Amino acid sequence: SAVISQKPSRDICQRGTSLTIQCQVDSQVTMMFWYRQQPGQSLTLIATANQGSEATYESGFVIDKFPISRPNLTFSTLTVSNMSPEDSSIYLCSAGGRVSTEAFFGQGTRLTVV
Amino acid sequence: AQTVTQSQPEMSVQEAETVTLSCTYDTSENNYYLFWYKQPPSRQMILVIRQEAYKQQNATENRFSVNFQKAAKSFSLKISDSQLGDTAMYFCAFRGQGGSEKLVFGKGTKLTVNP
Repeated sequence: SAVISQKPSRDICQRGTSLTIQCQVDSQVTMMFWYRQQPGQSLTLIATANQGSEATYESGFVIDKFPISRPNLTFSTLTVSNMSPEDSSIYLCSAGGRVSTEAFFGQGTRLTVV
Repeated sequence: AQTVTQSQPEMSVQEAETVTLSCTYDTSENNYYLFWYKQPPSRQMILVIRQEAYKQQNATENRFSVNFQKAAKSFSLKISDSQLGDTAMYFCAFRGQGGSEKLVFGKGTKLTVNP
């Protein structure tokens, strides 16, 4: 199993600013993912964080808005840029090893943009 | 593209009774994995149970069991002896065998266990 620490757990931000969310895994994992969960909704994949290369973004998400870094096998960051109230959501980090079929999740970051 | 459908937005059950949550999915793959995740108000996503598509036997984890019908592409979750702590959102999820290991989630079912 893997334990994922995600921070901050919540934040209230002014529109037009940016927030960086950190995700730390307690063991080396092959795959790391970032999801968005809008209020009362399901989880939608933003991107796959690739170690040492650019993230792979899903349709509807772009690097300029959600830049992602993954400098090593245990750490990743997601930045929400130029925020608007529509970005108010829960953002979740997920990780898993290629040999494992289970995905582990951080506790999420509740972002409110005012 | 794979899709996951949960047709029950909300359900409720009395404590100690049994409840079944429905999930259907669509895929052209033959080998894949299916999951049920629980999300309590704490937001933490907790794996409840998983099923490998190549296994005919239905997975069980204590009070939780699934009814996996591969031909019908159905994957329901049965919770026996419901407890107040089972109150949560439940998400059905699909993961393909090859390539990206991303999960595709259903819209979720909000389960309330009443005392």
